[in-house]
Amino acid sequence: KNEVEQSPQNLTAQEGEFITINCSYSVGISALHWLQQHPGGGIVSLFMLSSGKKKHGRLIATINIQEKHSSLHITASHPRDSAVYICAVRSETSGSRLTFGEGTQLTVNP
Amino acid sequence: EAGVAQSPRYKIIEKRQSVAFWCNPISGHATLYWYQQILGQGPKLLIQFQNNGVVDDSQLPKDRFSAERLKGVDSTLKIQPAKLEDSAVYLCASSSLVGDSYEQYFGPGTRLTVT
Repeated sequence: KNEVEQSPQNLTAQEGEFITINCSYSVGISALHWLQQHPGGGIVSLFMLSSGKKKHGRLIATINIQEKHSSLHITASHPRDSAVYICAVRSETSGSRLTFGEGTQLTVNP
Repeated sequence: EAGVAQSPRYKIIEKRQSVAFWCNPISGHATLYWYQQILGQGPKLLIQFQNNGVVDDSQLPKDRFSAERLKGVDSTLKIQPAKLEDSAVYLCASSSLVGDSYEQYFGPGTRLTVT
């Protein structure tokens, strides 16, 4: 079992839909990251969380430390949101090292 | 602020050949990471440098992979000889400590195809 599990693996939505991607982890963490990867490989950091909730534009990330679970929400989705979304955790004992989930491929159709 | 630079962006080689990738991190970032990302999977850490010292290379296949970070700035990752299963995107990232948190910044990656 991977330390970081994401669901779903693939998600197809219509433009305007509300989207949720989930991440569960099995270790104690000091931080959780949500990352976006577009075709071509470049990765961009969206959020870094250690508790509660963060919002940036149409993106919202939440984390429940007790349940070892985080969600990434996209409101009013748009085709340009199509990308792979990756959850990564920094464990309490790993310093700056990240452990990554396998990613969720999101496709938003017009 | 300039981002993490990597070159080349794409490389195609035959198995048993050698290849090298280069990374220039964000200025002032002490920590540099090399990741391997196989298609459909999340990145896997190959090696982590703090300045010019190795912090973690536990997942680096040392029989064929090597990396160095001379002078604590640029880094090179080499594969010699390459195998078909080395086909992947190789990502470089750098980070600095901000408060008590690390934010990693990723380069565009090098897509390696081994035929």
